[in-house]
Amino acid sequence: DVKVTQSSRYLVKRTGEKVFLECVQDMDHENMFWYRQDPGLGLRLIYFSYDVKMKEKGDIPEGYSVSREKKERFSLILESASTNQTSMYLCASSLSGRKNIQYFGAGTRLSVL
Amino acid sequence: KNQVEQSPQSLIILEGKNCTLQCNYTVSPFSNLRWYKQDTGRGPVSLTIMTFSENTKSNGRYTATLDADTKQSSLHITASQLSDSASYICVALDSGTYKYIFGTGTRLKVLA
Repeated sequence: DVKVTQSSRYLVKRTGEKVFLECVQDMDHENMFWYRQDPGLGLRLIYFSYDVKMKEKGDIPEGYSVSREKKERFSLILESASTNQTSMYLCASSLSGRKNIQYFGAGTRLSVL
Repeated sequence: KNQVEQSPQSLIILEGKNCTLQCNYTVSPFSNLRWYKQDTGRGPVSLTIMTFSENTKSNGRYTATLDADTKQSSLHITASQLSDSASYICVALDSGTYKYIFGTGTRLKVLA
């Protein structure tokens, strides 16, 4: 079974803190994604990576950065957390190719106070 | 603008009953359409994937249909169970940008 593991289920941070969200997948997938999910909105893509050290901006990259130093690990970084970044963050991975399934982690619910 | 719209927003049914969830999309160029199930507090899990040439695909009690001409898809759940209570998300892949366009989901509640 494919496993996508997010390091924390719940996080509470203060405004201005630097926040790291970690995601690890164990199926040698080329593609990895970070989304945020807010009530009443569909999942929105923050960043996408199709290979080690490669990244592409998604629809809402402002305030975020990412790091992919190893194929299995994709990190999302909030350089200076703000209250409007309170959300559910979902990591996903997939093989390359348009018909491949995205596998999601369980999510990290981040609260920024 | 690429969009995926789902209806209804929420639905309550009795255990054992069937139900159908709807998805309309305006994504173009279109590659494939996916249905995901998301339990509360969990990540989405894939149910079906259909390309524009496929009309129907089943996964146990879940059957998805696709009409690429009218840009509509439906997810039919047969003989619902309490464990079907979840949000169901429709996702269309834009083959031009390779971006997934997510609907906002239908929240299904199955009552005993």
